[in-house]
Amino acid sequence: VQLLQSGAEVRKPAASVIVSCKAPSDTFNRFYLHWVRQAPGQGLEWMGKINPSGGGATYTEKFQGRVTMTRDTSTRTVYMELRSLTSDDTATYFCTREGLVFGGAIVPYFDYWGQGSLVIVSS
Amino acid sequence: SSELTQDPAVSVALGQTVRITCQGDSLRGSFAGWYQQKPGQAPVLVMYGKNNRPSGIPARFSGSKSGNTASLTITGAQAADEADYYCNSRDSSGNQYVFGSGTKVTVL
Repeated sequence: VQLLQSGAEVRKPAASVIVSCKAPSDTFNRFYLHWVRQAPGQGLEWMGKINPSGGGATYTEKFQGRVTMTRDTSTRTVYMELRSLTSDDTATYFCTREGLVFGGAIVPYFDYWGQGSLVIVSS
Repeated sequence: SSELTQDPAVSVALGQTVRITCQGDSLRGSFAGWYQQKPGQAPVLVMYGKNNRPSGIPARFSGSKSGNTASLTITGAQAADEADYYCNSRDSSGNQYVFGSGTKVTVL
């Protein structure tokens, strides 16, 4: 399973950026895809998830109003748009697949990851 | 609280055992996922659920959970295990996920 992300981007403060993630057919149709970011030297931060087949998305409160996750079913690609960028948004953005769980237990895990897309916000 | 707390750093002698812990309220209702990340690379899943190792992950990695604390144990640590390790969980609604703060493991 390969999640292929778009390349590095440089943006000025207040601008927007769109990062893409192309998924194999089975992944696109059956799994949730999530976006996780990592600022330089920092830990992993969950941003939100999208159901590629249905299009519904959920975001963490921190990014509500500033992030939008969408998908294009014709190209099996999901997109993460982040607006009103500041230097704090300089990070590597990862697309990752949530593994399937059978039964009632809550077992959240991410079994495949994209290679990451570096976004640099600088004036 | 949705936070997951991990010790910032631990060290282990080559061939010895190290346990990495992850503590948080969300773990009372959720199992944890564990990820290994080496510099400049994407995270790699090493453990999930009760004690499930993905294909290709060595048997020296094991997991457990008790109450609000999940643990990842490396039995017989190797130089290749030197990395940052992160845990994750999610809330019961399925709408909020969280990662731990990360633990840097040094193999001496």
